[in-house]
Amino acid sequence: QSALTQPASVSGSPGQSITISCTGTSSDVGGYNYVSWYQQHPGRAPKVMIYDVSNRPSGVSNRFSGSKSGNTASLTISGLQAEDEADYYCSSYVISRNLLIFGGGTRLTVL
Amino acid sequence: QVQLVEFGGGVVRPGTSLRLSCAASGFSLSNHVMHWVRQAPGKGLEWVALISYDGSQTYYADSVKGRFTISRDNSRNTLQLQMNSLRAEDTALYYCARVSSYSSGWYSFDYWGQGTLATVSS
Repeated sequence: QSALTQPASVSGSPGQSITISCTGTSSDVGGYNYVSWYQQHPGRAPKVMIYDVSNRPSGVSNRFSGSKSGNTASLTISGLQAEDEADYYCSSYVISRNLLIFGGGTRLTVL
Repeated sequence: QVQLVEFGGGVVRPGTSLRLSCAASGFSLSNHVMHWVRQAPGKGLEWVALISYDGSQTYYADSVKGRFTISRDNSRNTLQLQMNSLRAEDTALYYCARVSSYSSGWYSFDYWGQGTLATVSS
């Protein structure tokens, strides 16, 4: 099972908005609403930012939002802040195989 | 509060075995599906395995199927990963992760441990 496709890096200035894409197939991202997004700072464990495509856990800033169109899911961060600089990973359930796959990760740089 | 603490990592030779454990506290393990996820040094996240609430269902990534076994002891609130026939490419930080109480599926995590490092080297 191949990893989901994410851009290796994105960047933005404080206050701007950025979007990170996560492209899969109809057997994973496109087939079910079990896409999650995780933020990972260096040396730290991942933290869930979005689950089930567009749901935000309690305590996560409303500057983070998720969506999906076809086989591509997206994470949008609005009003960029310095603390948002981190690696971001998407994940998706793989239909009928009971597997989970991750994207390769995207390094967000806040300029 | 909810805590997951992994232990059991170390340096081992290729072809040997290692058993990782994850001690859960602050919640009842029996109420959650659990996963292992690994991260090779400087690399991305890779899903390893999952186990259902009572351990009756287990699923594995193709890369570890037949070599790794996930298990749980709900009475002791612990999760295990038995890793056999280890290879250099299994070198990674191994995280245990709890499935979110809010997700409708078994595939989103709300708590992660800090990880335990397994290094396979001759």
